Amino acid sequence: KQEVTQIPAALSVPEGENLVLNCSFTDSAIYNLQWFRQDPGKGLTSLLLIQSSQREQTSGRLNASLDKSSGRSTLYIAASQPGDSATYLCALGGFQKLVFGTGTRLLVSP
Amino acid sequence: DGGITQSPKYLFRKEGQNVTLSCEQNLNHDAMYWYRQDPGQGLRLIYYSQIVNDFQKGDIAEGYSVSREKKESFPLTVTSAQKNPTAFYLCASSIGQGAGTEAFFGQGTRLTVV
Repeated sequence: KQEVTQIPAALSVPEGENLVLNCSFTDSAIYNLQWFRQDPGKGLTSLLLIQSSQREQTSGRLNASLDKSSGRSTLYIAASQPGDSATYLCALGGFQKLVFGTGTRLLVSP
Repeated sequence: DGGITQSPKYLFRKEGQNVTLSCEQNLNHDAMYWYRQDPGQGLRLIYYSQIVNDFQKGDIAEGYSVSREKKESFPLTVTSAQKNPTAFYLCASSIGQGAGTEAFFGQGTRLTVV
């Protein structure tokens, strides 16, 4: 059974810092890994999708990496802004469903 | 605009009552999903559907039912058999299942038992 862990559970940083969110998983037999953002009381917004055969994906200030051999993915946020404050979720894509971590709650202070 | 629409945004249920949550997508996606989100827990899969007129149970299907009569619609009914229905419900869709399929989510429905 796939288990997904996200560390840290919460993170508070001042504006402008570069930061890394971690996602670890137990089963490397995945199709893809997806990073989402969730604002309070809202749905999930897809940020990045990394296919199983890829090592990383970039979108603007976001960069996500995938290392299946070690069961890890990281989401790197450059030059953080207060608008980045949200909960970030990683999800492992299997054949029939996504398996989610519990998320990292990020607060970026002005 | 293409996307997934969930309604209502807030829903209140009395004890012993069945309620239905709506999910509509105009992305022309074949696969649709219902997830439940509780504080401190990851999203858990309730039901999923790969194609019209077909659906399968997820990890926590007890007390829920679904139908998939149209490609764009996947309503979820929370029955009186669901003993702890208070949660945030999220609907998602993807082009298909399996490799390379990106999932997109609606804005959610918050269900509260009163």
